[in-house]
Amino acid sequence: GAVVSQHPSWVICKSGTSVKIECRSLDFQATTMFWYRQFPKQSLMLMATSNEGSKATYEQGVEKDKFLINHASLTLSTLTVTSAHPEDSSFYICSAFRDPYEQYFGPGTRLTVT
Amino acid sequence: GQNIDQPTEMTATEGAIVQINCTYQTSGFNGLFWYQQHAGEAPTFLSYNVLDGLEEKGRFSSFLSRSKGYSYLLLKELQMKDSASYLCAVRFYSGAGSYQLTFGKGTKLSVIP
Repeated sequence: GAVVSQHPSWVICKSGTSVKIECRSLDFQATTMFWYRQFPKQSLMLMATSNEGSKATYEQGVEKDKFLINHASLTLSTLTVTSAHPEDSSFYICSAFRDPYEQYFGPGTRLTVT
Repeated sequence: GQNIDQPTEMTATEGAIVQINCTYQTSGFNGLFWYQQHAGEAPTFLSYNVLDGLEEKGRFSSFLSRSKGYSYLLLKELQMKDSASYLCAVRFYSGAGSYQLTFGKGTKLSVIP
């Protein structure tokens, strides 16, 4: 069964609004979670590494003030897309390592900004 | 930096065998993963190699040569449902006790009757 969940699975929002995406590890604790973004027909691009109890580490080119990450517990990380614009429309996927060898991905959240 | 190359597209026949290659250049190498991703879905884990050699898992096998920076995913007895993108990903040590994955652009495999 699924070991990482995401909510919502899809969301449509108007330009200028904010959207929060939740990522949960279901049967294990994850001190570190990863947020990826995937545009159509492209591979996954790491946006940031979410660290429980501390600030997230953002990849080069990702605006930390626009993509707010909060890892408040060992099983929950949230990504908030602030003041969303149509170019933020994408497939957002979180992941976590349950053990050192297997990284599990959430089912993804498809965001459409109109 | 990290660099991963794999073919963009491949086509193979149902019942056949196909090999998807992946070459990489990375520092702090800590393992190579293969994922399958169907359109519109999140990736699912297929295999993991950290030592040289072949790992077999049912119809799927993955090979790694660290000295050559090379891996391949072998799919046997192809089925139509194997049509998907196959992502090669390298895990590397990013410092402060953390690891990251860098993904290749994926190989879109089309299985034809």
